[in-house]
Amino acid sequence: GAVVSQHPSWVICKSGTSVKIECRSLDFQATTMFWYRQFPKQSLMLMATSNEGSKATYEQGVEKDKFLINHASLTLSTLTVTSAHPEDSSFYICSAEPTAGGARETQYFGPGTRLLVL
Amino acid sequence: GDSVTQMEGPVTLSEEAFLTINCTYTATGYPSLFWYVQYPGEGLQLLLKATKADDKGSNKGFEATYRKETTSFHLEKGSVQVSDSAVYFCALRGAGTASKLTFGTGTRLQVTL
Repeated sequence: GAVVSQHPSWVICKSGTSVKIECRSLDFQATTMFWYRQFPKQSLMLMATSNEGSKATYEQGVEKDKFLINHASLTLSTLTVTSAHPEDSSFYICSAEPTAGGARETQYFGPGTRLLVL
Repeated sequence: GDSVTQMEGPVTLSEEAFLTINCTYTATGYPSLFWYVQYPGEGLQLLLKATKADDKGSNKGFEATYRKETTSFHLEKGSVQVSDSAVYFCALRGAGTASKLTFGTGTRLQVTL
């Protein structure tokens, strides 16, 4: 149980285009999902906390107009990188926290999406 | 604020060697502590966790004990395998901090035959 999927697993796009990444909790409901960014050989940087039915909470320094987050249901959150530029190239990882049950304190991570902006 | 400090890597071991990856933390109250593992090209997988002092988390031969007195959560395994080669992240979730995880910088483990 507790599987989180991401789609796509990797994407290459041209500079100036927008890219949408989906994060789904497959066998549990998640009121809260998280989006992280990971640079090569570095730790995860929390970008934003996504709450179902409300606006996302962005970490300091993260542009909310550039990284649009939508959490429309208890099993799906999306991250859209708008007007992507080469510096946005990175590994984006989402996680989900089960809404109920004993696993509530644990975040389950998706496999990540590698974005390359040319 | 909350922080996690891990030993720097990479750590290179021969198969069947004993592994210790140190992790210490700074947090107010009683955080929950986690170890995550990241295999090449993949996302993070929860390895083990402990939610209160003196708890021992264990999974796949790995163990870590929540030591409040030393604010530590060191990861250990008695006999590593080549398949354990990965990056290991120590993390904490502070008490009452709306589920945010604070990660250490990660420690790369390389196990050779």
